[in-house]
Amino acid sequence: QMQLVESGGGLVKPGGSLRLSCAASGFTFSDYYMSWIRQAPGKGPEWVSYISNSDSRTYYADSVKGRFTISRDNAKNSLYLQMNSLRAEDTAVYYCAACGGDPPYIWFDPWGQGTLVTVSS
Amino acid sequence: DIVMTQSPDSLAVSLGERATINCKSSQSIFYSSNNKNYLAWYQQKPGQPPKVLIYWASTRESGVPDRFSGSGSGTDFTLTISSLQAEDVAVYYCQQYYDTAPTFGQGTEVEIK
Repeated sequence: QMQLVESGGGLVKPGGSLRLSCAASGFTFSDYYMSWIRQAPGKGPEWVSYISNSDSRTYYADSVKGRFTISRDNAKNSLYLQMNSLRAEDTAVYYCAACGGDPPYIWFDPWGQGTLVTVSS
Repeated sequence: DIVMTQSPDSLAVSLGERATINCKSSQSIFYSSNNKNYLAWYQQKPGQPPKVLIYWASTRESGVPDRFSGSGSGTDFTLTISSLQAEDVAVYYCQQYYDTAPTFGQGTEVEIK
């Protein structure tokens, strides 16, 4: 059974940094594109970034480009999101998800339980 | 970016009745080269992450009850719950993956009348 567990969320001041991690198990991690998606309180999901399975090609939403960096370690079955220059509007639950579909044209399945990032002074 | 607009924002349906949710994309999300619509539907229950129900606009994910069905093509799509059950109370989202910047609809909340 595919399982994803996020960690690293918390409270950070505007302009600060945070690194999220996602531990994968129950599937061959190196076979899948992986993604981060966020959901602000009471809002719909917003795709943030994804990364290819083997050559680590990356894609970013315009709202985070230049501030966030996605990476992966296939040996450790882990996905990461380095978030710099954080803003109040980055406050959300951040989900890690595996990608289905015809990469890079993807849907998200399954999702982890999420980790809350709060940006506030 | 492709904008996804769902309607209605919420609906209340009696148990056993049909629920219909619409999703409209700002441009066609149909690829004629493979005859596929690049649309997925998700269900999100309170306190849980979204779960994919349908992809390629009409293909049900393994394990999803057959009362859930997807239809439509081009820019207009529908998710139908043929006979609403209590466990179907949730927010439903559509998502396009036609381009490399996936986008979601704003969500439709389904409740019991």
